[in-house]
Amino acid sequence: QVQLQQSGPGLVKPSQTLSLTCAISGDSVSNDSAAWSWIRQSPSRGLEWLGRTYYRSKWYSDYAVSVKSRMTINPDTSKRQFSLQLNSVTPEDTAVYYCAREGIRGYSYGAIDYWGQGTLVTVSS
Amino acid sequence: DIQMTQSPSSLSASVGDRVTISCRASQNITRYLNWFQQKPGKAPNLLIYATSSLQGGVPSRFSGSGSGTDFTLTLSNLQPEDFATYYCQQCYTTPRTFGRGTKVEIK
Repeated sequence: QVQLQQSGPGLVKPSQTLSLTCAISGDSVSNDSAAWSWIRQSPSRGLEWLGRTYYRSKWYSDYAVSVKSRMTINPDTSKRQFSLQLNSVTPEDTAVYYCAREGIRGYSYGAIDYWGQGTLVTVSS
Repeated sequence: DIQMTQSPSSLSASVGDRVTISCRASQNITRYLNWFQQKPGKAPNLLIYATSSLQGGVPSRFSGSGSGTDFTLTLSNLQPEDFATYYCQQCYTTPRTFGRGTKVEIK
């Protein structure tokens, strides 16, 4: 059974960096049938896909245009986890952040089948 | 980006009812469409992937159909635990995009 456990601060000051980690159990961040994603949810923007990383002989990352210049997703194979860094945050980045697993091969292509528990991150001074 | 438009935004129904939720994509996504259920304070839960494939453990009263730009989620014989918000999401291309949700409330 795959489980994703998120950790990180719930309060970040404007202009600083939001950092969250997602620990994986029951799978590997190097699994070439999966992508590891970050998605956020707020009343104003709804569910917003932010980006993903995945391994297919080498590491790839995709990001939403809205955050591409500020965001990095890093896999950590030794710790079986992946992380999100979002720089130069503003109050508009206030949201519940989720990590998630997406199938990228075969019959379950595109299925986001496992989610972390969610972390409410508030951007405020 | 592909826009996903759900309708209605909310509906009221009774236990035992059959309800349908529509989702329209702004361009052809073939059958790359997922449905999620979300309850307050919880992460979304995958119900259906690839338009009509039921995720493991999901009751058969949930079903999905459609192709191209128009899709439907059907809940047959509504149960008390089905009152929640439902989202569609396209996985045809990145960025993945979601509908704004349909809240199913008790009449």
